[in-house]
Amino acid sequence: QQQVKQSPQSLIVQKGGISIINCAYENTAFDYFPWYQQFPGKGPALLIAIRPDVSEKKEGRFTISFNKSAKQFSLHIMDSQPGDSATYFCAASRQGSNYKLTFGKGTLLTVNP
Amino acid sequence: DAGVIQSPRHEVTEMGQEVTLRCKPISGHNSLFWYRQTMMRGLELLIYFNNNVPIDDSGMPEDRFSAKMPNASFSTLKIQPSEPRDSAVYFCASSFAGAPDTQYFGPGTRLTVL
Repeated sequence: QQQVKQSPQSLIVQKGGISIINCAYENTAFDYFPWYQQFPGKGPALLIAIRPDVSEKKEGRFTISFNKSAKQFSLHIMDSQPGDSATYFCAASRQGSNYKLTFGKGTLLTVNP
Repeated sequence: DAGVIQSPRHEVTEMGQEVTLRCKPISGHNSLFWYRQTMMRGLELLIYFNNNVPIDDSGMPEDRFSAKMPNASFSTLKIQPSEPRDSAVYFCASSFAGAPDTQYFGPGTRLTVL
């Protein structure tokens, strides 16, 4: 049972463009939604996260949009740079489970110069 | 801060052999997570510990897999006997009580079972 569905599997964007990755979840008990960034040969690293009490969170060029009623959230990368090329994972967890993470399948982002 | 340390970084073994993966969490962190990453299944949580106690091992695929955390600074994931389908990258992550929602991942161990 895939509790977090992520799309697209891969994404190619030109430098300066906007990258958008979408996720949908099923478990309404989830109350924490992080995005992790993974470079080849490295472990995932927390990029940005949101809780369902807000609809948007912005950190620099990275923004999470959250739609609680639709059970969807998305990552927007503004002014995408070649250095942003990586695999991005959305995840979901709940405080009561010690923040045990359920990950989406990942999106391979390539930003062309 | 050295981050989460995993060893070995790469392991190649033959089917039927025992494999032991090691993890040293960040000092002061009280939760430790073991994940497996494959192309087909993505990142899957295998087991996690809180204060050295296994809390949830529902992700451990079968009895061939076992994990221990004898103290706050060391954990092992053992596969015995190993099978080719166990080939994957295994990650260890840790978090601390002050910010339990942030997990710090190690660099992973790439396991190949021939």
